[in-house]
Amino acid sequence: DQQVKQNSPSLSVQEGRISILNCDYTNSMFDYFLWYKKYPAEGPTFLISISSIKDKNEDGRFTVFLNKSAKHLSLHIVPSQPGDSAVYFCAAFSPPSGNTPLVFGKGTRLSVIA
Amino acid sequence: ETGVTQTPRHLVMGMTNKKSLKCEQHLGHNAMYWYKQSAKKPLELMFVYNFKEQTENNSVPSRFSPECPNSSHLFLHLHTLQPEDSALYLCASSQPPSPPGELFFGEGSRLTVL
Repeated sequence: DQQVKQNSPSLSVQEGRISILNCDYTNSMFDYFLWYKKYPAEGPTFLISISSIKDKNEDGRFTVFLNKSAKHLSLHIVPSQPGDSAVYFCAAFSPPSGNTPLVFGKGTRLSVIA
Repeated sequence: ETGVTQTPRHLVMGMTNKKSLKCEQHLGHNAMYWYKQSAKKPLELMFVYNFKEQTENNSVPSRFSPECPNSSHLFLHLHTLQPEDSALYLCASSQPPSPPGELFFGEGSRLTVL
């Protein structure tokens, strides 16, 4: 059973508009969430994260929102640029400590059209 | 050399072959991981090593055999694989505990089993 779900396998957005990528999770023990970005022929790279004590974290054009009651998080990219075209993975982490591995979603492929 | 380096980038092998994937990290991290990425599936954790000790084996078949001779190197030995083992194998490293769960990935080794 998938604990982290990205229900949209793909998303197309016009350059300059907002991209919204969604992620749902089932495990209420998750307390830290991350987004990774992956280009073809490259490994995923860390993009942005959020702790469960917050509901928003912003870094430049990227903002992650967390709704704990709905077990839902989203990544907003604004304005979207062609270079943002990639696969975006949502990941979650639960305590208590140490290297408890991340649980990943299947990813959403974002295409930003010029 | 920087980051996490994986070799080979591409590997084609028959079901009776024995081959190895290599990962090297130059980040001074203490934890290393093998992940498997199959088409339309989430990233699947295979193995975790902390300070050269295996701390997790995520129900991986014995035809995959990891080796971690030191905290900078990680191998995945492959033998008598099946065609369904064809996938992208990603190595990652991290330096716990802060930030939790943040992984640094290599570019991956694309494996095709004939």
